[in-house]
Amino acid sequence: KQEVTQIPAALSVPEGENLVLNCSFTDSAIYNLQWFRQDPGKGLTSLLLIQSSQREQTSGRLNASLDKSSGRSTLYIAASQPGDSATYLCAASTDSWGKLQFGAGTQVVVTP
Amino acid sequence: GAVVSQHPSWVICKSGTSVKIECRSLDFQATTMFWYRQFPKQSLMLMATSNEGSKATYEQGVEKDKFLINHASLTLSTLTVTSAHPEDSSFYICSARDPQLSYRDLGVTEAFFGQGTRLTVV
Repeated sequence: KQEVTQIPAALSVPEGENLVLNCSFTDSAIYNLQWFRQDPGKGLTSLLLIQSSQREQTSGRLNASLDKSSGRSTLYIAASQPGDSATYLCAASTDSWGKLQFGAGTQVVVTP
Repeated sequence: GAVVSQHPSWVICKSGTSVKIECRSLDFQATTMFWYRQFPKQSLMLMATSNEGSKATYEQGVEKDKFLINHASLTLSTLTVTSAHPEDSSFYICSARDPQLSYRDLGVTEAFFGQGTRLTVV
């Protein structure tokens, strides 16, 4: 069974620093890997999706990499802002219909 | 991107009553939808896979008689929490993938999520 782990569980940085969030998965047979943002008490906002055949995806200040062989994905957020404070979840797609296995998330606090 | 709408966004009910949560794909047809549950400070756990026109597939440990799923049309799946108890209080969220979307390499497209439903059983 696919297991997804996120490290660290929580992270606090001053504004302007770059953020590095790690995600690891046990089964490399994934269809894709998706990064989400979740604000307290809210739903999920999709940030980036990396197909299994891709190495990375970029959107604005966000960059996500994928290394299937080592079972790792990393989300980089450049020049962090207080508005980036949220919980970030990674999820591996385990079938072609979109079933996702989630990590526990990394809670990020960016201080002004 | 595709839109998935979930209703209600929050609900409070008394113990012993039933609550229905709706999940709609607004601009695409979804033969498959997924229902997740999230307890406070925890991640999302898949409860079941909802299949249009057939029975749902439940994950291990999820009571199918308690969490009734109906996927009667290509745009609507419902989750009914029957005889709710306080321990059923949680955040429930659905997702679906637009099967018509595809990438050049025929990769699996992203899953779109509803806004979630905060259920509180008192």
